[in-house]
Amino acid sequence: GAGVSQSPRYKVAKRGQDVALRCDPISGHVSLFWYQQALGQGPEFLTYFQNEAQLDKSGLPSDRFFAERPEGSVSTLKIQRTQQEDSAVYLCASSSLGTGAYEQYFGPGTRLTVT
Amino acid sequence: AQKITQTQPGMFVQEKEAVTLDCTYDTSDPSYGLFWYKQPSSGEMIFLIYQGSYDQQNATEGRYSLNFQKARKSANLVISASQLGDSAMYFCAMRAWDNQGGKLIFGQGTELSVKP
Repeated sequence: GAGVSQSPRYKVAKRGQDVALRCDPISGHVSLFWYQQALGQGPEFLTYFQNEAQLDKSGLPSDRFFAERPEGSVSTLKIQRTQQEDSAVYLCASSSLGTGAYEQYFGPGTRLTVT
Repeated sequence: AQKITQTQPGMFVQEKEAVTLDCTYDTSDPSYGLFWYKQPSSGEMIFLIYQGSYDQQNATEGRYSLNFQKARKSANLVISASQLGDSAMYFCAMRAWDNQGGKLIFGQGTELSVKP
């Protein structure tokens, strides 16, 4: 596709359930980022992949959060045992080069609501 | 640590007028980049403009310009000839040019409303 796509667009989970959020980056993009955006806030960095390597996971808030990109293209963000504080929009972004690229292209996000 | 501050939670502007959205930043890195993104109600972050810390001239992209004052650590966005479609959230962000992989640090955002 022409842009970054994410699925599902909306997800409602009961507290304690596991969820998996998918990101399809722009074809050929090396770098992939996940951000978490709480209501009324700016996005906050979660984790970064360069191809299949997860080079930075310093923003993951707890060990319940796990991300993977096994073949260097599609990425999945998994949240185990969801809590109400996990409710947010999860944004995925990709860029064409490694650390030298400056423009990140964002997907539409997945809005997660934990009840 | 890097930090972005946007002090205007909300701004109003009359259609066809210009508006300035404020952004200040804090970093000890000598090399960095500054970005502005627009987020309409649909949720997608749309890249608007970029300024590198060593760029001598202020960046411009169509109706958008970035007023970069390095000594004051400010990177204000100027939108000329506002249009109704400019109504959205606007985020200032910064990226350090080191081995952090290029993650963006965002401010809290400014909600811009354009009045007809």
